[in-house]
Amino acid sequence: DAKTTQPPSMDCAEGRAANLPCNHSTISVNEYVYWYRQIHSQGPQYIIHGLKNNETNEMASLIITEDRKSSTLTLPHATLRDTAVYYCIVGDRNNDYKLSFGAGTTVTVRA
Amino acid sequence: DTGVSQDPRHKITKRGQNVTFRCDPISEHNRLYWYRQTLGQGPEFLTYFQNEAQLEKSRLLSDRFSAERPKGSFSTLEIQRTEQGDSAMYLCATRALAGQYEQYFGPGTRLTVT
Repeated sequence: DAKTTQPPSMDCAEGRAANLPCNHSTISVNEYVYWYRQIHSQGPQYIIHGLKNNETNEMASLIITEDRKSSTLTLPHATLRDTAVYYCIVGDRNNDYKLSFGAGTTVTVRA
Repeated sequence: DTGVSQDPRHKITKRGQNVTFRCDPISEHNRLYWYRQTLGQGPEFLTYFQNEAQLEKSRLLSDRFSAERPKGSFSTLEIQRTEQGDSAMYLCATRALAGQYEQYFGPGTRLTVT
């Protein structure tokens, strides 16, 4: 069973920031938050992960609330190539980082 | 290109036939995972290997499914007596054993059972 809740879809204007929310109210202390995305007809692509601190890499930023019950993935300057399904996943070492995908958020970036 | 390759990319077969898919991982990655994805759904975990050992199998993996990873290198997923419900994308992913959290996915094999 997926442990996260995401909105089914959202639109974003090209060049603007895209903020993708995720609720994971039952997350346990050892579980990480992962974000992957899947562009049409391709395999999923890793974006970022975090435990409790905010994280940033060349693709995105991840902000995890202090109680760790929710997080937000930010794509700072969305492009048309960022149109994809974005998956928020929680997982830990005890499950050997086995990924349990939900339905994700379909993000459409519009020109 | 993540470095994980899968073959074939597309497979059309008739119900009742056997099919085999292959996954070639990134060479230094010890963990190899198989997922299945049906239309409109996220990928579902099927099984995974650490080197040549198959460590876990999902309830989704019926007796008609078998996976191997001889010598801890490439892996194969075989489906015997295919059914129309087996039509899906079959994804392979790999991960380094220690110190790395992310999985690298291949492009997948799209199976259509007619």
